[in-house]
Amino acid sequence: QKEVEQDPGPLSVPEGAIVSLNCTYSNSAFQYFMWYRQYSRKGPELLMYTYSSGNKEDGRFTAQVDKSSKYISLFIRDSQPSDSATYLCAMSAQGAQKLVFGQGTRLTINP
Amino acid sequence: DVKVTQSSRYLVKRTGEKVFLECVQDMDHENMFWYRQDPGLGLRLIYFSYDVKMKEKGDIPEGYSVSREKKERFSLILESASTNQTSMYLCASNRDTQYFGPGTRLTVL
Repeated sequence: QKEVEQDPGPLSVPEGAIVSLNCTYSNSAFQYFMWYRQYSRKGPELLMYTYSSGNKEDGRFTAQVDKSSKYISLFIRDSQPSDSATYLCAMSAQGAQKLVFGQGTRLTINP
Repeated sequence: DVKVTQSSRYLVKRTGEKVFLECVQDMDHENMFWYRQDPGLGLRLIYFSYDVKMKEKGDIPEGYSVSREKKERFSLILESASTNQTSMYLCASNRDTQYFGPGTRLTVL
C-alpha cells in the first residue's frame, strides 16, 4: 500500500462547477500538507500549504485537512478552464525534508 | 519569489552518453532535490542534498549520481544514459516547502 493515495482521474467538469480533489494517507506522523498544480510540460507550482488539521482558504481555493481520518482535500470554487492541470498532494512529517507525493489527479474544466 | 532554474527544457541524448542536468536556486536554500516524473508513476526522488558536498540517495538512485559543489547549484549526472532514463526531470529546493524548477524533458535514443 502506498503511503499517499490519490485518484489519478482524469476528472472532467463544466466551467463554474465546484471541484473536490482528495488524498488519503497512512502515516500518522505527517504534519505538513501541500497541494501543487502542474500545467502540461511545466514544473509543479505550490498552490496551498497547511499545517496540521483545519481549513485554509485562498481565493477560490480551500484546503482541508482531517488528521483523524488521514484525509486531505482541495476545493476549487467557480472553476475556470485555466484551472485545467494536474493537481498533486504532498505531505511530510515534522522535521522531515523529504515530501511524499500522491500520484496526481488530472483535471479538465470544460468551457 | 523563489526561483529554481534548470539548464535545459528539452534534451536528446544517445544511449551510453554521459548527461549533465544542472539546477540553480537563488534563495539560499540548504536542501535541494532531484526527481523524475513518469506517467502512472508520479514523482520519484532520485537524490537530495542538505548541504554543500552532502548527498543522500532517494528512492531510485541507480544509474544516477549528483554533485553539489556550491550551495545554489545541484547537478544530476547520468553516467551512461539508457533508454529507460527517458523522463521528465525536476529539480526542487526548499526551506519550509519545496519549490520546483520548470523541468527538463530528457529523451535517450
